[in-house]
Amino acid sequence: EAEVAQSPRYKITEKSQAVAFWCDPISGHATLYWYRQILGQGPELLVQFQDESVVDDSQLPKDRFSAERLKGVDSTLKIQPAELGDSAMYLCASSLEFRTGGLTFGAGSRLTVL
Amino acid sequence: ILNVEQSPQSLHVQEGDSTNFTCSFPSSNFYALHWYRWETAKSPEALFVMTLNGDEKKKGRISATLNTKEGYSYLYIKGSQPEDSATYLCARHSGSARQLTFGSGTQLTVLP
Repeated sequence: EAEVAQSPRYKITEKSQAVAFWCDPISGHATLYWYRQILGQGPELLVQFQDESVVDDSQLPKDRFSAERLKGVDSTLKIQPAELGDSAMYLCASSLEFRTGGLTFGAGSRLTVL
Repeated sequence: ILNVEQSPQSLHVQEGDSTNFTCSFPSSNFYALHWYRWETAKSPEALFVMTLNGDEKKKGRISATLNTKEGYSYLYIKGSQPEDSATYLCARHSGSARQLTFGSGTQLTVLP
C-alpha cells in the first residue's frame, strides 16, 4: 500500500538552530499539505501545494518558516531559527485533489526545541 | 459555532462497550466533513468523508452520521475493542476555503 514518507521521525535541536523536514507524497497526488500539531490541539495547516504552487500559506510564520515543492513531487519544510514554541509534530499529507477523498498522512516528524 | 469542536476530549470505556463522540462545526458554507483515526506512533488514517446532509457511513464496527443544517456529526463504535484505542479527529471543509479545519480530537482508551 502506498505511503507518504517523512523524515526524520524525531528531531531534537537547540533554539536558534535550523531544522528541515522532508516529505515524499503518494505518487500522482497533486496536492500536498504540511500540518503542525501541538500536543492537545488539532492539526493546523501551515502550507498547501497544488503541484509546485503554493495555494495557501496564510498560517505559515514566514519570518522563520519556508516550504518548497520544486518539481511538484517531494517537499521540504524549513525552520530557521527554531524557537521553543516550535516544538510539535509536523505532519505531511497528500491527496489526489484538494476537495475529493480523504488525506493520506505520513507518520510525522516530532520536533523538540531545547 | 466558529470552530470545529469535538467532545468529549477523552473517554475511557470497557472492552465490549459501545460509544460515540461528537463533532460540531459551522454549518454555513459547508462542503465536506472528514473523520480520521490516529493511533499512537502511526499515521492518521482516513475513516470517512461525508458531504450530504443525513449521510450515514459504516466501516466494520464504526459508523458516522452527518447533519449539515445544524452542524454536527456523530461517530459511533459498536462493541469497542482495545485496538480501537486512538485519537479520533474530525475536520471540516468549507465550500470556499481550500483547507481542512481540524478539531482537537477525542482520545479513546478501551480497557481490556
